[in-house]
Amino acid sequence: SAVISQKPSRDICQRGTSLTIQCQVDSQVTMMFWYRQQPGQSLTLIATANQGSEATYESGFVIDKFPISRPNLTFSTLTVSNMSPEDSSIYLCSVARGSGSENEQFFGPGTRLTVL
Amino acid sequence: GENVEQHPSTLSVQEGDSAVIKCTYSDSASNYFPWYKQELGKRPQLIIDIRSNVGEKKDQRIAVTLNKTAKHFSLHITETQPEDSAVYFCANRDGGYNKLIFGAGTRLAVHP
Repeated sequence: SAVISQKPSRDICQRGTSLTIQCQVDSQVTMMFWYRQQPGQSLTLIATANQGSEATYESGFVIDKFPISRPNLTFSTLTVSNMSPEDSSIYLCSVARGSGSENEQFFGPGTRLTVL
Repeated sequence: GENVEQHPSTLSVQEGDSAVIKCTYSDSASNYFPWYKQELGKRPQLIIDIRSNVGEKKDQRIAVTLNKTAKHFSLHITETQPEDSAVYFCANRDGGYNKLIFGAGTRLAVHP
């Protein structure tokens, strides 16, 4: 597996503000992803973070709301912009190690965000 | 688009009994089917996976079976223990080796 860390682990924010979440991996990985998990729900993919290029967003998620950076193969950030209470959720970084059909995917510890 | 249906949503068993969770998928190009266990307040943990070139895989008390013709795969836990209590998610990867599509999850409760 991979050692994945996220900062912050939790935060309470005011509506209208933005929060940037960092994800650091202990070694180079082929792919990095950002997921959202609302209370009692499953994992929803926000976007795939592409190294050196714009992220690939899933339906329902846009770059203006969730800008993502991936400057190298071990680090990525997700920003939740202009937050509202509906953005309260756990945000999880995930990484895939291995190549092609052999890769396995692991999750970071998550960032618990509460928006007041 | 692609989706994964997972059943049941909740499952309650007595310690020592077996538990079975089933998932069906729609993308016929899917070739990788992992299962994750998520304990309360923790991250999802990969517990077992299966690729499309095999029909069954076992790891101690857990096993996964895959029926590609019917497009379904199942998680089997034998001799359940209270520490097996968690939410279990199935997933499948799209044919492009990229994103995982997750099922809705099954909350398993094992009663002593």
